[in-house]
Amino acid sequence: GAGVSQTPSNKVTEKGKYVELRCDPISGHTALYWYRQSLGQGPEFLIYFQGTGAADDSGLPNDRFFAVRPEGSVSTLKIQRTERGDSAVYLCASSLQAGGFDEQFFGPGTRLTVL
Amino acid sequence: QKEVEQNSGPLSVPEGAIASLNCTYSDRGSQSFFWYRQYSGKSPELIMFIYSNGDKEDGRFTAQLNKASQYVSLLIRDSQPSDSATYLCAATSGGYNKLIFGAGTRLAVHP
Repeated sequence: GAGVSQTPSNKVTEKGKYVELRCDPISGHTALYWYRQSLGQGPEFLIYFQGTGAADDSGLPNDRFFAVRPEGSVSTLKIQRTERGDSAVYLCASSLQAGGFDEQFFGPGTRLTVL
Repeated sequence: QKEVEQNSGPLSVPEGAIASLNCTYSDRGSQSFFWYRQYSGKSPELIMFIYSNGDKEDGRFTAQLNKASQYVSLLIRDSQPSDSATYLCAATSGGYNKLIFGAGTRLAVHP
């Protein structure tokens, strides 16, 4: 079946602009995660959803970052007033359910470049 | 700040040799540990997970966990050039869902 998909694959924007990154999880997966990966680093946890609710948003760096998952499937990560330091690959992952040892399947990522 | 530490490498091994990748973690509450492989420009893919002390084997891969020492390792037997990638160690934190990743170890297997 289809894996996790993310759009766009690349996004170039100017400092101060607003961007939206979309994630479409594997069908039937109830848990969805957002990570951010900078060059030479491992993925950094941002937020995790169980169903429609954000169960843990402790990794969001500040209030410019916000994520939603209104129908419990597709999620959108929203970044306001982008800064050059926001440039990174944003990875989305999903798992069958939260808890236990369910594998998190990663999407291909969105490479965000803030000029 | 909960951390997962890995040597950045590169770790260079000849084809057919055993590659040994190591990881330490700081959160004693971590329950599960994961090894992901990431090819350049690609997303991470799960190789193995382990949650009990001791060894867990899957084909050419063996994961080892020592919770007393807060140490996780991954052994790759009969290394192949196709194993050349960055290997990411991750530990659960604050429950089973939040993964804390190390920076990764770059492995290079040369013919």
